[in-house]
Amino acid sequence: GQNIDQPTEMTATEGAIVQINCTYQTSGFNGLFWYQQHAGEAPTFLSYNVLDGLEEKGRFSSFLSRSKGYSYLLLKELQMKDSASYLCAVMDSNYQLIWGAGTKLIIKP
Amino acid sequence: IAGITQAPTSQILAAGRRMTLRCTQDMRHNAMYWYRQDLGLGLRLIHYSNTAGTTGKGEVPDGYSVSRANTDDFPLTLASAVPSQTSVYFCASSESGYNEQFFGPGTRLTVL
Repeated sequence: GQNIDQPTEMTATEGAIVQINCTYQTSGFNGLFWYQQHAGEAPTFLSYNVLDGLEEKGRFSSFLSRSKGYSYLLLKELQMKDSASYLCAVMDSNYQLIWGAGTKLIIKP
Repeated sequence: IAGITQAPTSQILAAGRRMTLRCTQDMRHNAMYWYRQDLGLGLRLIHYSNTAGTTGKGEVPDGYSVSRANTDDFPLTLASAVPSQTSVYFCASSESGYNEQFFGPGTRLTVL
């Protein structure tokens, strides 16, 4: 079966760095997406990786290793507004997104 | 309209009733999707449409139907609602089937 694993919850301090991991087992691979979802709101797109390596976008970076079925989202200089759930999703061989359950990130002052 | 809109925002529905959730996008995206989101679970795809006039089944299609008469609209119908369909429903669209998806604000549905 297809499976996306990510931690249920993480806590970090304002101004610090946090890494949210995602491992996947899917039928085929056509890219990995990270989304941010604030409580009660819709998911919003953060990043997309299809090749191995690091993609940097401001305070957020995303890394992919296809051979290990592994990705992480790195958030730097954490702000209170970064408190949200972070969703990892893999596009499978049918070009459908398989979603992880999300990681709830709690930022403490 | 800017982006994707969904209606209603929330609804309480008696079991056995028929309900249509509406979704409209103004980005001229070809692909549209319906997901449900339940606590502790990832988003699960109900139905999708890669282009106007075509639809496909996702992971959890039973009890739901969709139509795609034009590019902008993608309604989701529950023919006879059951309590297990209590969930938050998100509509999404993407330029093609390969790009990032943009989500509507969601509909919170409670079936009693």
